[in-house]
Parts: sequence; C-alpha cells; structure tokens
Amino acid sequence: DTAVSQTPKYLVTQMGNDKSIKCEQNLGHDTMYWYKQDSKKFLKIMFSYNNKELIINETVPNRFSPKSPDKAHLNLHINSLELGDSAVYFCASSQVELEQFFGPGTRLTVL
Amino acid sequence: GEDVEQSLFLSVREGDSSVINCTYTDSSSTYLYWYKQEPGAGLQLLTYIFSNMDMKQDQRLTVLLNKKDKHLSLRIADTQTGDSAIYFCAESRAGTYKYIFGTGTRLKVLA
Repeated sequence: DTAVSQTPKYLVTQMGNDKSIKCEQNLGHDTMYWYKQDSKKFLKIMFSYNNKELIINETVPNRFSPKSPDKAHLNLHINSLELGDSAVYFCASSQVELEQFFGPGTRLTVL
Repeated sequence: GEDVEQSLFLSVREGDSSVINCTYTDSSSTYLYWYKQEPGAGLQLLTYIFSNMDMKQDQRLTVLLNKKDKHLSLRIADTQTGDSAIYFCAESRAGTYKYIFGTGTRLKVLA
C-alpha cells in the first residue's frame, strides 16, 4: 500500500503553461508539505498545511498555489511555468514532527 | 540565519565504516535528523536525535551530536553496497514543522 503518492511521476511541458501536481496520503496524517529539489539535489520546503490550513509559506513565487481539499490531499498548481521551475517536487506528510514520509517525487521539466 | 552544510561526496570500501558529517547554524534546533535518498526515490527517515542528547545508536547507525560546535555526524558500520545513496541531515525547531535540509552527501560504496 502506497503511503504518500504523487501524480504524475513525470511532467514535461512548455514555458508559460499551467500545470498541477497531486498528492495523496493514506496515513491519516494531519500535516502535509511540498518540497522542491533542484538539479544539485538541494531540498527546500515550499509549503506546509496542517489540517487543511496553511502554516508554512516560504518565499515562493505566487505563481505557485497549494490547495488542500481535505486532510489527505495537498495539490500544487503552478501558473505560467518558467525554465527555472524545472526540478523534482516532493510531497510529504507527518503526524508528529519527528517523522516525515515522502512521496516518490514528480520530475517537472519545462522546455 | 538557518544553514545546514555537508560535504558533497564520500567514497568507502564495502565493509568499512562511513562517517557523514553535517554542521548547522541554528542553535535553537530541537530535532536533528538523517534521511536517505536512493536514486529516483523520495527521502526516507533513518534516525533522529533530540538536541539534548549526545549520541544515539540504532543497529549499524550511530549519531553523534556536538551541540557546542553545532556538528552532527552519522556513522554507518559495516557499509554495504546497498547503502550507496544521498544522505541528508536536517534540523527543525519544535512546533514549527519547518525542516531545514542540508546539501546532501553522496555516499558511494565500492565493492
């Protein structure tokens, strides 16, 4: 059983397009996160939601908009995609702070 | 500011011990973590240590924390080829749900 799943696994798109990445967790966790990992493997938190409420919003362009329809889902919508948005995006969830469970990642390539 | 640094590469022979080092700047860190990322996968929590501890051992893994120097290390005993991966240290402050990840150390185990 997959704990944290993301779709799609790969996403290739043109500059200027709008795209969404979906994340679902079946662990019953209250907190979900989005991270961006660049080509050098640097991993940076973007957003965090606790019980559908935004608790962390790092300095991310407002072209990125997270949406949490319920506790088990946290989607990431990106408007007007730019070349620099190419990265691997990871979703994660946690119930207690001490352990995050990561999804397999979505590799976004902007051409 | 918050910063977590690691050396980028480490190469060891199978059966030897590996020591991966990490330095951080936030003296308010409460929890410190080690995560493992295998190729094409998300991060997996290996172990964590509270900031009021000096050492934690978990099977082949030993974590040492020098709070005065803000230095964290992960020792893997009897390193196997399956341990080849990128290892990330991370820190967080209790109640913030904000994790700062290190730059990652790519461990290569030679047969």
